[in-house]
This record gives sequence, C-alpha cells and structure tokens, in this order.
Amino acid sequence: GAVVSQHPSWVICKSGTSVKIECRSLDFQATTMFWYRQFPKQSLMLMATSNEGSKATYEQGVEKDKFLINHASLTLSTLTVTSAHPEDSSFYICSARERGREKLFFGSGTQLSVL
Amino acid sequence: AQKITQTQPGMFVQEKEAVTLDCTYDTSDPSYGLFWYKQPSSGEMIFLIYQGSYDQQNATEGRYSLNFQKARKSANLVISASQLGDSAMYFCAMRRAGNQFYFGTGTSLTVIP
Repeated sequence: GAVVSQHPSWVICKSGTSVKIECRSLDFQATTMFWYRQFPKQSLMLMATSNEGSKATYEQGVEKDKFLINHASLTLSTLTVTSAHPEDSSFYICSARERGREKLFFGSGTQLSVL
Repeated sequence: AQKITQTQPGMFVQEKEAVTLDCTYDTSDPSYGLFWYKQPSSGEMIFLIYQGSYDQQNATEGRYSLNFQKARKSANLVISASQLGDSAMYFCAMRRAGNQFYFGTGTSLTVIP
C-alpha cells in the first residue's frame, strides 16, 4: 500500500527558532499534499492544500508567512514553522493524495513542543 | 463554509455488538467524497471507508459500512461485531470539489469487554 513518511516524529525547540517538517510519499506521486494541525483530543484542522504545479492554498486564519509550505516535488512537501512560539506547539500531520485515487494517505505526525 | 458535524463526542459499545457513529455534512458542491478514518492512541490515521456523492450503493469494507443518505446529508458509519481493537477516535471527513479535505470533530469509541 501507499506509504507516507513524515519526519521528525517529535521535535523540541526554543522559542524564536524555525522548525522544518518533511513529508514524503515513498511509492507514489502525490499530486496533492495537505497539512493539518491537531490539538489533543480535537479534530484535524486543515492548514493548507498544496496542488501539483501551484502554490499552497492556505485556509482562512492560517498565517502563510509563519507556516511556510513547499511542495518541492511530487514526492516531497515541507512545512516550516518560522519563529516558533509556545502557542505553535501541536501535533502536525501531513497527508498525500495520488492522482486518480480518492483516499488520503497520512504521515505518522510530528509532535512539536516549543519551549 | 463547508461543515462536518459529529454529534457524539463519546460512544460505548459492548464487544461483538454493532455501533453507529453519526456524521452530517453541509456542502453546496455537486460532487464530493465522504470518508471515515480511525485514529488510535498512537496518532496514526487509518482509512476505513469511502463514499462518492454519486455512488448509488452504500459503501462496505469488511465490518464497516457507510449509511449514506444524500438528501439528509448524512454519512453514518456502522461497525458490526465490535472488537476491543476498535476502541479509538473516529473521524468523518469530506473532500470538496476544490480538492480540500475537511474533518469532523470526531467520536471517541470505547468497546467494552
């Protein structure tokens, strides 16, 4: 089955630093990638959608300058949390969709803790 | 705005019994997709079942079936013969025509031995 690899699984950083999270589709070309944020015991909140060949589309209320998304290739997307602050601490999950297939394949998530 | 509602924050079911998890959605898109995902305590998201808005028949995947009522905009998940390993968070999700995926608030299911 399709596999999405997300790294790192967890990261602890100091306030003010930037953190990059990688999401790779290992055995398929991801024409669309999604980034979600999830607080404990809550739902997945869509942050942005990145379609092949175009810039990421951010959801309302998500700061594009703070959460930089780069869909570098059909197998790689990165989320960079710039100048992280404690309120950015959360579980971030990426997912990918292959052209012609309906379901999303998810990465294992990244737990970010900003001190 | 697209909205997905799961009105049951928590559900309990006896092992081997069936359980229905509710999901209603709101969209004006003529074409959309509906999904259910399971999230155990480990955090991974596990795909369970998919229903296309134009599909005439309700989707089934093993012990999972989706009760799709398009006019009521509901897509309830039915789990038959519950197992202890079914205890997890369950999320209903919708893919819009514009390709965004949105998730409901989730239902925590606990299977009682």
